[in-house]
Amino acid sequence: GEDVEQSLFLSVREGDSSVINCTYTDSSSTYLYWYKQEPGAGLQLLTYIFSNMDMKQDQRLTVLLNKKDKHLSLRIADTQTGDSAIYFCAESITGGYQKVTFGTGTKLQVIP
Amino acid sequence: DTEVTQTPKHLVMGMTNKKSLKCEQHMGHRAMYWYKQKAKKPPELMFVYSYEKLSINESVPSRFSPECPNSSLLNLHLHALQPEDSALYLCASSRYRGRNTGELFFGEGSRLTVL
Repeated sequence: GEDVEQSLFLSVREGDSSVINCTYTDSSSTYLYWYKQEPGAGLQLLTYIFSNMDMKQDQRLTVLLNKKDKHLSLRIADTQTGDSAIYFCAESITGGYQKVTFGTGTKLQVIP
Repeated sequence: DTEVTQTPKHLVMGMTNKKSLKCEQHMGHRAMYWYKQKAKKPPELMFVYSYEKLSINESVPSRFSPECPNSSLLNLHLHALQPEDSALYLCASSRYRGRNTGELFFGEGSRLTVL
């Protein structure tokens, strides 16, 4: 199965931390990703984690991977209004071309 | 240049029209993709081209016809569409094999409305 589940909506106050969760199903995924989509735009890769890692930190972003539970999370520190967007987790088995499965998406609303 | 450029940004067409969506990248990527995204839904894969050859067709109706004339260009020809085909059509590209993280580079999309 290739269902990647996320909660639909998250609302946080500016300056707080945001945590977006994702449950994936394919244990053979090589990489797991977080993409951001702003209104009316395409998707942009925020960060990724290799499947043999537990954690990755990239400035305000922290990705945690629990392979046993197939759980991925994205923490955004000091959330800003510009972080308001839809966040998609995604999994892929990297080979030639990428067959990426996207999660259902979480809409993050940042309240000033 | 890390851009994927899609034209047109908006397209309105009738059910009897024939139109095309275009996508261009100059990153040297040899894999290119078409995705369809309905409102409040994740992108759904339609087609994958690798080295200008069709690698994946996700059981897409024949009223959608992809074409990859060269390594930089990807087209999606549209004919006899239905109103339920109205959506945002996203083009993406990626490296093929080698040491890469599998990142997809997306265009801004073409928003299609079928009347």
